[in-house]
Formats: sequence, C-alpha cells, structure tokens
Amino acid sequence: DVKVTQSSRYLVKRTGEKVFLECVQDMDHENMFWYRQDPGLGLRLIYFSYDVKMKEKGDIPEGYSVSREKKERFSLILESASTNQTSMYLCASSLGLPASTDTQYFGPGTRLTVL
Amino acid sequence: AQKVTQAQTEISVVEKEDVTLDCVYETRDTTYYLFWYKQPPSGELVFLIRRNSFDEQNEISGRYSWNFQKSTSSFNFTITASQVVDSAVYFCALSEIPQGGSEKLVFGKGTKLTVNP
Repeated sequence: DVKVTQSSRYLVKRTGEKVFLECVQDMDHENMFWYRQDPGLGLRLIYFSYDVKMKEKGDIPEGYSVSREKKERFSLILESASTNQTSMYLCASSLGLPASTDTQYFGPGTRLTVL
Repeated sequence: AQKVTQAQTEISVVEKEDVTLDCVYETRDTTYYLFWYKQPPSGELVFLIRRNSFDEQNEISGRYSWNFQKSTSSFNFTITASQVVDSAVYFCALSEIPQGGSEKLVFGKGTKLTVNP
C-alpha cells in the first residue's frame, strides 16, 4: 500500500512566522505535489516536483516555496505566514510514468490556522 | 484549458437509496485520464478509480459503478444501496498527457454526499 504521511494534522501559527509542512512517501514515487483546499474553491495546486531538487509552480505558488532534497520528502514552506494562508494542505505522490498520468495518492492533510 | 464541473454541490439521501454523482469535463486533448476520489470527514483523499480516454467500458466495483460517455464528456459515479459510511465529499478530476514534467490534475469542486440512516 502506498503511504503518504504529513508531519502534523493540525497546526496553529502566528502571522509572520516561517512555517514548514513536511510530507514523506514510502513508495519510491518520482512525483510529489502540494495542494491547498478551501471551501468553495476545491483543491488547487501550489507546487509539484518530478525529481529530486526539481520543482515547478502550480496554480497558486505566491507566498510559498518548496524543497525536495531527497526523493521521499517534499517540504512546503510559508516564508512569512499570513491569515489568508489558513487552509487545509494536502500532499500527494505518484509513480511518474513517462507520457502518462499515474494515480496521485494523498496524505491525511494538515489543517493550518494562521492567527 | 481543462475544466471539471460537478454541478451538484450537496446531495442528501436515505440509506439504501441509489445515488448518482455527476461529472462533466472539458478538454481539447484526445488522450486524457479521469479520476474519482472520496474525502471522508477525516480529510484524506482516497483514490477510487482511474480511467483513460480510450476505455469507455463502464466499471463496477461492489456497490460503486462508473459511467464514462465521451459523447457527452461525462464520467458519472453511482453508489447503489447507499450506506452511512458513504457520506463524504467526492471529487472528480481530469488530467491530460503531460508535455513535459509531471502530470497535472484538475479537480472539480466536489459533491458532498450525506447518507442518512
């Protein structure tokens, strides 16, 4: 079974803090993704990575950065947290088949509140 | 541009009723993939099905079935004899073949299904 884990289920931070959200997958997947989920807006892609040290912007990268130093770990960084970044953050990974679209498997999510 | 529409925001049924969740998509590609995910109250998205655009056969898995019709760009999901444990938000998603880098999923806004005892 694919397992994607996220470092925290719930997190409360203050405005201006630097926040790290960690995601780890144990299936040797090539691709990893960070989404945020907001009521009425669905899931929106923040960043994704298709290889170690590679990253690409998704639809809403502003205010975020990512790091992928090892294949199994993909970190989302909020450089200076703001209240409008209060959201549910979901990490996903996929095998990375060439010229195809493989299934993305999701972690349990981190509900971040920025006060 | 890709687009996925789930017109039903919320559906409420009584246990044992059948329920169909609608999904309509837009894409200019001839090769693409469609997905359904379930998000129970715990929050984790659970993969249900992946279907490529060349496979129009309907699929059945236990009480779940999917009807894929390219002619109407729809990929509808039916739960037969619904149960309380089916209560969740269900997402339909679309992906085209990536031109470079990784695939990108576009999600619908989800349909919240409540099954009452």
